[in-house]
Amino acid sequence: GAVVSQHPSWVICKSGTSVKIECRSLDFQATTMFWYRQFPKQSLMLMATSNEGSKATYEQGVEKDKFLINHASLTLSTLTVTSAHPEDSSFYICSARDLGQVGTGELFFGEGSRLTVL
Amino acid sequence: AQKVTQAQTEISVVEKEDVTLDCVYETRDTTYYLFWYKQPPSGELVFLIRRNSFDEQNEISGRYSWNFQKSTSSFNFTITASQVVDSAVYFCALGEGGYQKVTFGTGTKLQVIP
Repeated sequence: GAVVSQHPSWVICKSGTSVKIECRSLDFQATTMFWYRQFPKQSLMLMATSNEGSKATYEQGVEKDKFLINHASLTLSTLTVTSAHPEDSSFYICSARDLGQVGTGELFFGEGSRLTVL
Repeated sequence: AQKVTQAQTEISVVEKEDVTLDCVYETRDTTYYLFWYKQPPSGELVFLIRRNSFDEQNEISGRYSWNFQKSTSSFNFTITASQVVDSAVYFCALGEGGYQKVTFGTGTKLQVIP
């Protein structure tokens, strides 16, 4: 089946630094990717929709300047957490739709990236 | 607005028992998708099933079965003869029209006791 890969799978950084997380569709093209955030023992909350070649659409309450999203190609979206603080520590998961199977409802998730900010 | 409710926060069963995880959804769309995902302690999401709103047939896959009832807006998941490896958090999710967004329920933590 289709694969979505995230890198890094876990990262520890100091407060105030920026961290970039990559989401790649390995064997399909994705014009749209989604970024979710999951706090411990909580559900996944959609942060933003990443659109190839255009600006991301952010959910209400998500700071655009803090969570920078870039979707420069049909197989790669990046999420940069700028000036990270301990409260940004979370599990970040991306998902992608196969451009060739938009009508099927097929949606693929990455393995997730665990961010810990000290 | 779309909403997914998983009323059961945690469930514990003894191995070999059957267990049903409930999921109730709300949507105004006539076309939508329903999903179930398993999240083991390692964190990754494991896809279990996707069902579109026009297909109300129940599905069975090994020890797993799903009951989609449009009349009650429910999409329940049953594990038959549970095993310890079934212990995980299970999420029900709803994707609306072209499912630009997928909304997740709060999850049900299942613990299967040997």
